[in-house]
Amino acid sequence: EAGVVQSPRYKIIEKKQPVAFWCNPISGHNTLYWYLQNLGQGPELLIRYENEEAVDDSQLPKDRFSAERLKGVDSTLKIQPAELGDSAVYLCASSLSGGSSYEQYFGPGTRLTVT
Amino acid sequence: EDKVVQSPLSLVVHEGDTVTLNCSYEVTNFRSLLWYKQEKKAPTFLFMLTSSGIEKKSGRLSSILDKKELFSILNITATQTGDSAIYLCARYGGATNKLIFGTGTLLAVQP
Repeated sequence: EAGVVQSPRYKIIEKKQPVAFWCNPISGHNTLYWYLQNLGQGPELLIRYENEEAVDDSQLPKDRFSAERLKGVDSTLKIQPAELGDSAVYLCASSLSGGSSYEQYFGPGTRLTVT
Repeated sequence: EDKVVQSPLSLVVHEGDTVTLNCSYEVTNFRSLLWYKQEKKAPTFLFMLTSSGIEKKSGRLSSILDKKELFSILNITATQTGDSAIYLCARYGGATNKLIFGTGTLLAVQP
């Protein structure tokens, strides 16, 4: 079974530029998550989707971050414009359901460097 | 927000040693606690714990939860260099029922 797929794996951009990350969850997983992980910290949730609906986006900085999951399968996370402090690893995860009975499986992440 | 605290922050051991990693949490409406191993990329799932006192085991790794004292431990016996990683603890619960992670324990196993 294929795992969670993310691309690109690495991205270097200059500040004020836009950037987008893509995620394809495990087949059959209805719930998709985007996390931000800073160095030396655990992942922090940015947004959770149940199918195509964003059910928790309270931690997403909406002035510059946006996300979509139009068909309820793959998802895109965008930052526009990027700031130096956005340098981090962006992880995508998926699970069968958003309930607490189901473990989340993570993708390899995209390491973003903003210069 | 409810915290997840892991200790120690880092640990250096030699192959063959046994290690115990700690995770304590504060949360209302606790649902479950999860352990992940993170090497250079994605966190990989190890265990999910929902009931106190029931040990979960996978090879040389085992974990147990104490819901009364609000902590969990992850044990690794006969450590190998391949066990070197960051071990993350996370809990479901709270008002939003989302997964909250600790900062992790960095384990280095020397030959």
